[in-house]
Amino acid sequence: DGGITQSPKYLFRKEGQNVTLSCEQNLNHDAMYWYRQDPGQGLRLIYYSQIVNDFQKGDIAEGYSVSREKKESFPLTVTSAQKNPTAFYLCASSPYRGGNQPQHFGDGTRLSIL
Amino acid sequence: DAKTTQPNSMESNEEEPVHLPCNHSTISGTDYIHWYRQLPSQGPEYVIHGLTSNVNNRMASLAIAEDRKSSTLILHRATLRDAAVYYCILSGPYNTDKLIFGTGTRLQVFP
Repeated sequence: DGGITQSPKYLFRKEGQNVTLSCEQNLNHDAMYWYRQDPGQGLRLIYYSQIVNDFQKGDIAEGYSVSREKKESFPLTVTSAQKNPTAFYLCASSPYRGGNQPQHFGDGTRLSIL
Repeated sequence: DAKTTQPNSMESNEEEPVHLPCNHSTISGTDYIHWYRQLPSQGPEYVIHGLTSNVNNRMASLAIAEDRKSSTLILHRATLRDAAVYYCILSGPYNTDKLIFGTGTRLQVFP
């Protein structure tokens, strides 16, 4: 079945450490997205990518970095500069960037600070 | 970015229809209305979307007001699996547009 796979499901970060969250899709979608969700809140956009080797900052990009070397993969690195990284991170994809295409989401990675 | 307003929570009994309202008085002519739902500890799931006309799919129906300033997601027969947070989101058609999630409506379904 086609879908989006996020790993790991749970991740713990030590102070001063960078961690990378994996997102892989086999839907042949062009666009991919990373969101952050805090408890009781909606999702906020961190980064998005419309095509390979191109990505743009979302609303809360500070302290995060991404790469898009392959169409299927869009990893997110939470750097030590992100002072409050504890959150639920969600990856999504869509056929192309646009308002009339639904986004497909993975099941998320929950990141906590040790 | 246009905003939406939804009730914080709603309740329903199993097998009954559920009407989830959404106000979007500042919607522009090119904004699509999307609905997603999210179960605890899972990613959001696409439910339905539309522009001007009412829409039906296997999950739900979307009723859009004539002036497009409000819409209603209709679950025809609620089941326990429909208990989730439902998000009403506006998104334009251009490649710089994005989904802006509010806090949604938490739907409780009772047996």
